[in-house]
Amino acid sequence: DTEVTQTPKHLVMGMTNKKSLKCEQHMGHRAMYWYKQKAKKPPELMFVYSYEKLSINESVPSRFSPECPNSSLLNLHLHALQPEDSALYLCASSSGVELYGYTFGSGTRLTVV
Amino acid sequence: TQLLEQSPQFLSIQEGENLTVYCNSSSVFSSLQWYRQEPGEGPVLLVTVVTGGEVKKLKRLTFQFGDARKDSSLHITAAQPGDTGLYLCAGGNSGNTPLVFGKGTRLSVIA
Repeated sequence: DTEVTQTPKHLVMGMTNKKSLKCEQHMGHRAMYWYKQKAKKPPELMFVYSYEKLSINESVPSRFSPECPNSSLLNLHLHALQPEDSALYLCASSSGVELYGYTFGSGTRLTVV
Repeated sequence: TQLLEQSPQFLSIQEGENLTVYCNSSSVFSSLQWYRQEPGEGPVLLVTVVTGGEVKKLKRLTFQFGDARKDSSLHITAAQPGDTGLYLCAGGNSGNTPLVFGKGTRLSVIA
């Protein structure tokens, strides 16, 4: 299995809702990432997990809460989001060997109404 | 802070034309990666270059890493509509430091 699977593909949520994005990989990768990508822009790093521990938080608002239950799963819990949080949320994983780069999922297209 | 500048930002060409995309930095990177992203999908790794002066070919795509490992280029020969997408360069550093992404080049190849 050489994929990163993200669910759901699309999500519409109200500003008072609580929802979660899920990411799964079975490549044995020990680093996992959340990125946010607005239209026509490059991905922006949000969080990095290394060996299931949060190693980088790029000053992301607390309405985004990451969780890494085990080495294969990464969640992003969403609460009280704003319309400007609407974006494509990408999960990625890496083995730590630069030659192999990152493997990205197809993303979750989030719309906050 | 390490930065990667990509140029051009946008490129619209006719099928069959050649093009070159550039990725430049004032910082040295241990590796340079190129990704292509299609609408509604995640970026897909095309190549990683790790040695200064290295040239890698992937069918009609040629990637080069600068001698000083501060810049890279992507050359596409005889572009096809299937090459359309967002091309991202990303600089890597040894250890667990996350990749540094450029702002991307949006390529449109018109049939």
